[in-house]
Amino acid sequence: SAVISQKPSRDICQRGTSLTIQCQVDSQVTMMFWYRQQPGQSLTLIATANQGSEATYESGFVIDKFPISRPNLTFSTLTVSNMSPEDSSIYLCSVRPGNRPAEPQHFGDGTRLSIL
Amino acid sequence: AQKVTQAQTEISVVEKEDVTLDCVYETRDTTYYLFWYKQPPSGELVFLIRRNSFDEQNEISGRYSWNFQKSTSSFNFTITASQVVDSAVYFCALYMNRDDKIIFGKGTRLHILP
Repeated sequence: SAVISQKPSRDICQRGTSLTIQCQVDSQVTMMFWYRQQPGQSLTLIATANQGSEATYESGFVIDKFPISRPNLTFSTLTVSNMSPEDSSIYLCSVRPGNRPAEPQHFGDGTRLSIL
Repeated sequence: AQKVTQAQTEISVVEKEDVTLDCVYETRDTTYYLFWYKQPPSGELVFLIRRNSFDEQNEISGRYSWNFQKSTSSFNFTITASQVVDSAVYFCALYMNRDDKIIFGKGTRLHILP
């Protein structure tokens, strides 16, 4: 299974600043996903990031607030821009190692973000 | 509507008891997949099982077993002889073939008391 490293693992940020979260995978994957998990809540998909194309955002999430880069098949970044306390969440990177639909997704350890 | 419902928000049982986590789903797809993931306190999500909509056979893996019933749109998860290390949040999830994405239930927080 794919090994996923996320950095930072946690951070405390000031309101109005931006933070970029990195996701590194130990193998080449086509499909990468970014999720948000608000305190005590389930996972909500922010966007799907495929290499070589623009990220596809889910309803309620926009590129200006959550810009994503996917420069190659092993790396992606998610930026949380102009942060407010409502952005305090765990942000998780996920990959689908195979190309077949419904392959189990593998997740990083997440980035715990707190906004003051 | 596509939805996953985990009605049990939080469950506490004493170690060695059996416990069942409920999952009910809704989908308009005829082809779909169901998953269970475990999220221990450390935060990472661990894949436990995938079941496709055409395979209603129950599955057992050690102390874990899963009961899939299309007639009731349920995919329940049972832990027998629970252990403290089973304490975690467990998520049921539905993969929708038509949308090529997974939606997660709200999770059940399981406390195994020593």
